[in-house]
Amino acid sequence: KAGVTQTPRYLIKTRGQQVTLSCSPISGHRSVSWYQQTPGQGLQFLFEYFSETQRNKGNFPGRFSGRQFSNSRSEMNVSTLELGDSALYLCASSLANWAREGTDTQYFGPGTRLTVL
Amino acid sequence: GEDVEQSLFLSVREGDSSVINCTYTDSSSTYLYWYKQEPGAGLQLLTYIFSNMDMKQDQRLTVLLNKKDKHLSLRIADTQTGDSAIYFCAEGAGGYNKLIFGAGTRLAVHP
Repeated sequence: KAGVTQTPRYLIKTRGQQVTLSCSPISGHRSVSWYQQTPGQGLQFLFEYFSETQRNKGNFPGRFSGRQFSNSRSEMNVSTLELGDSALYLCASSLANWAREGTDTQYFGPGTRLTVL
Repeated sequence: GEDVEQSLFLSVREGDSSVINCTYTDSSSTYLYWYKQEPGAGLQLLTYIFSNMDMKQDQRLTVLLNKKDKHLSLRIADTQTGDSAIYFCAEGAGGYNKLIFGAGTRLAVHP
């Protein structure tokens, strides 16, 4: 079974631009979460989607948004990019079958490395 | 509040055991996880433990959970150079698949 895939793998943007990152979960997984990883702040939770609905959100400004499609694929968007948005953005998926123990376990993709100049 | 703490560095000799420690604050966490990250890569799930367990063994990996002290450890037996990486402890907290990560422990394995 294929793992979580993220595109693109690398991205360079300039301040003020906007960017869209894509994530395809493991087949059958219904939950997609996004994390930002930086040397200074470590790994921080951005948001989680299930059945096209955002169920949980971290402490990030409104410039960070996301969505999930009916096939569980997800995108995140960052508008008006700032230098501090340079980071590795990681997507994770889980089966999220509440009737089965352990299905919240999240499997991560390779990430998209975003550089803002 | 939610917080996970880990020591930042660990250096071991090849063939020895490595023990990486972690403390967490949210007593309501149902699952606790260990992930591994190699340079330039995403996070690889190593193992997880349910909060009602004390220990879990998976080949060379042993996880110990002391729920009273909110302390989690990962023991890697017969550590190899391929185990050199950053290891993250994470707790499932705040509902709906929100993981709270520690800062990561960089494991260096030397001959």
